[in-house]
Amino acid sequence: DQQVKQNSPSLSVQEGRISILNCDYTNSMFDYFLWYKKYPAEGPTFLISISSIKDKNEDGRFTVFLNKSAKHLSLHIVPSQPGDSAVYFCAAAGGTSYGKLTFGQGTILTVHP
Amino acid sequence: DADVTQTPRNRITKTGKRIMLECSQTKGHDRMYWYRQDPGLGLRLIYYSFDVKDINKGEISDGYSVSRQAQAKFSLSLESAIPNQTALYFCATSEPRAGGSDTQYFGPGTRLTVL
Repeated sequence: DQQVKQNSPSLSVQEGRISILNCDYTNSMFDYFLWYKKYPAEGPTFLISISSIKDKNEDGRFTVFLNKSAKHLSLHIVPSQPGDSAVYFCAAAGGTSYGKLTFGQGTILTVHP
Repeated sequence: DADVTQTPRNRITKTGKRIMLECSQTKGHDRMYWYRQDPGLGLRLIYYSFDVKDINKGEISDGYSVSRQAQAKFSLSLESAIPNQTALYFCATSEPRAGGSDTQYFGPGTRLTVL
């Protein structure tokens, strides 16, 4: 049972445009959400997070939006740069998974110059 | 120097062999985790440890065991490797935060191939 889902395996965007990566979850006990970025031959690196008491969190070019009623979060990257090309994972924590993260399948983002 | 290191970075082995993957961290974190990554499946938790005396199974612990030798060291063993254990393996660490909202920090990964 996949509790965190990223339904788009890949996304292709032109440099300078907006990238929107989506993530859905089913466990209503999740109350903390994170996005990780992963380059080939490297481990995932933390990008941005959001608590369920907020609906938006911004850090430079990266903004995460949380819609609790829809159990949906999204990561916006504006403007997209070729160096943003990577695999992006969303992850969730909370409830009985205290201290643990449940990851989505990942979305491969390619930003074309 | 990297905060979370994993050895080896790459390993090719044969079915039935015993394999140990090692993880060390200099972040001073109490919590450590082992994940595997397979294409299309994301990262799945194998084992986790919230302190030196605490070991817990994750969602896919069958065929694996772990040892927490010290706060800084957490090793993963495959007692008798099989081909479907071919994957990327990641170690991660975290420090407990209020409400369980830990941010985990990952090592560079070990690519394991079982022939």
